[in-house]
Amino acid sequence: NAGVTQTPKFQVLKTGQSMTLQCAQDMNHEYMSWYRQDPGMGLRLIHYSVGAGITDQGEVPNGYNVSRSTTEDFPLRLLSAAPSQTSVYFCASSYRAGRGTDTYEQYFGPGTRLTVT
Amino acid sequence: DAKTTQPPSMDCAEGRAANLPCNHSTISGNEYVYWYRQIHSQGPQYIIHGLKNNETNEMASLIITEDRKSSTLILPHATLRDTAVYYCIERGGSNYKLTFGKGTLLTVNP
Repeated sequence: NAGVTQTPKFQVLKTGQSMTLQCAQDMNHEYMSWYRQDPGMGLRLIHYSVGAGITDQGEVPNGYNVSRSTTEDFPLRLLSAAPSQTSVYFCASSYRAGRGTDTYEQYFGPGTRLTVT
Repeated sequence: DAKTTQPPSMDCAEGRAANLPCNHSTISGNEYVYWYRQIHSQGPQYIIHGLKNNETNEMASLIITEDRKSSTLILPHATLRDTAVYYCIERGGSNYKLTFGKGTLLTVNP
């Protein structure tokens, strides 16, 4: 299994540009989420999904959109990039509650480093 | 905001045990204690979790006090590769969301 993959690894955008950060997992996990991490800070939840067709907002959703059309993919869209969105973005996935495990271990991707100038 | 309290940094000599403390004074009865770590620039990695009892796996041991207000992650023989930020997180049994604080930067010295 490749686990959780993210593309691109690095990206530089100009203010106002839009782009999509890709996230895919091959573990058949129902739950997927996006976090951002600013320097010296812990991770903050942006959006999450408990299954295909179901998404919800996390702690810092403004400026981001998500959709979940398949179990495998959970793209994050920046609608109009701003310098405040300069950060490292991590995608994660795990089994859904009630699937015979209480672990809910979340598997994280390697991250996308985004700079907005 | 994170509900747990951890020291910002700790040092440990290579080969010695690293004991990382965490206070979770407002933890509720159905919340587990999870530990993750983040090695520089990488995505966080799950280490261990527990509810009431002490737990051990191939990576670490987790000691939870009887009142569940604090826990300790133990790396029995720390190596240089264990240098990382360690996060202690509370999570309810059916709650997938993780709330990260700033964690503890553990530096393992040769």
